[in-house]
Amino acid sequence: DIQMTQSPSTLSASVGDRVTITCRASHSILTYLAWYQQKPGKPPKLLIYRTSSLQSGVPSRFSGSGSGTEFTLTISNLQPDDFATYHCQQYASFYPLTFGGGTKVEIK
Amino acid sequence: QVQLQESGPGLVKPSETLSLTCTVSGASISGYYWNWIRQSPGKRLEWIGYIRYNGTADYNPSLKSRVTISVDMSKNQFSLKLSAVTAADTAVYYCARRGGTGGAYYFDYWGQGSLVTVSA
Repeated sequence: DIQMTQSPSTLSASVGDRVTITCRASHSILTYLAWYQQKPGKPPKLLIYRTSSLQSGVPSRFSGSGSGTEFTLTISNLQPDDFATYHCQQYASFYPLTFGGGTKVEIK
Repeated sequence: QVQLQESGPGLVKPSETLSLTCTVSGASISGYYWNWIRQSPGKRLEWIGYIRYNGTADYNPSLKSRVTISVDMSKNQFSLKLSAVTAADTAVYYCARRGGTGGAYYFDYWGQGSLVTVSA
């Protein structure tokens, strides 16, 4: 299995901040990485696929970068609606598809 | 607008079989891969498996011996069965649609989730 490790597990930030979340893969996944946002009691919502492609309707303050084993999700100008948990997911290796452990962005 | 809705018992006894159904609206079952994903309390999301309209399915190797996913095109539904459940199978179970084609395999539409507790 390809292990996905996110850091930090929790991040405290303020509205207007620029926030960066890291996702590391145990093996190269090229650019086959997606990011999701999840709020309590809700399903994950797709934000970004193929490392940096924004899903339709997702605000442009979200961006992704990276390749190989290290990836980042950046939220510029953090908004109140952005306080949530973020998950990465690799799809370079199908057996099995795997997710990161999540990063909770909380209000400082 | 594509919508997915899980349904099924919220409580299952240990050693029994967990059964859930996902009803899809706003999209045809054909032409996509339909998935089950679960999230146990405090744990990461775990992909369970997928099915296609023609019945082709595949599963996470860690669960493969206990999982069956089936499809009912006439009802635009697909279903999950997980046998011999234990407390470790307590989770919120999501159905989700695969987005992308070719080598792309992420999830663009999700159900709201169904909490299944395994307890006597």
